[in-house]
Amino acid sequence: DVKVTQSSRYLVKRTGEKVFLECVQDMDHENMFWYRQDPGLGLRLIYFSYDVKMKEKGDIPEGYSVSREKKERFSLILESASTNQTSMYLCASSSILGAFFGQGTRLTVV
Amino acid sequence: ELKVEQNPLFLSMQEGKNYTIYCNYSTTSDRLYWYRQDPGKSLESLFVLLSNGAVKQEGRLMASLDTKARLSTLHITAAVHDLSATYFCAVDIGGTYKYIFGTGTRLKVLA
Repeated sequence: DVKVTQSSRYLVKRTGEKVFLECVQDMDHENMFWYRQDPGLGLRLIYFSYDVKMKEKGDIPEGYSVSREKKERFSLILESASTNQTSMYLCASSSILGAFFGQGTRLTVV
Repeated sequence: ELKVEQNPLFLSMQEGKNYTIYCNYSTTSDRLYWYRQDPGKSLESLFVLLSNGAVKQEGRLMASLDTKARLSTLHITAAVHDLSATYFCAVDIGGTYKYIFGTGTRLKVLA
């Protein structure tokens, strides 16, 4: 069974903290993604990685960075968390069969 | 810029009724996907449509793809309450396995 696992379901962080969201997939997919989901705005692509150490900015990369040191792991980094980054974060990996999502991380920045 | 538009955005329907959700996209693509999301949960895959004319059915849901019209439909037959969820379509950009998602259609089936 395909599996994408995000390290946390819920996180509460303080403004200005550095935040790491981790995602691991076991399908040997080359492509991995981080999306952000907010009510009324759908899914917005933050960053995309098509290979180890390779990345592309998505639609809303500001305030975020990513790291992909191993094929199975894709990390999203909030360098200095702000309240407007409170959101649901979804990691996915993909193949011709589509995108496979993790369970999501609901991040609250206070 | 690639755009993927769904309509309606909200749909409230009675149990037993039929309805169709539409997904239009603005660039050439032969691959389209449908997902379901329950409140507070992640997205799960429903249908994978990989060519023009593709039709897939699962229970009361049927999806089709017309790549010439850049249109996919998700048809609901005899709706039941368990189908209440948000449905997303997603388009593969140029065969890259990179996806742009529609805005989602929130479906509520009333008993």
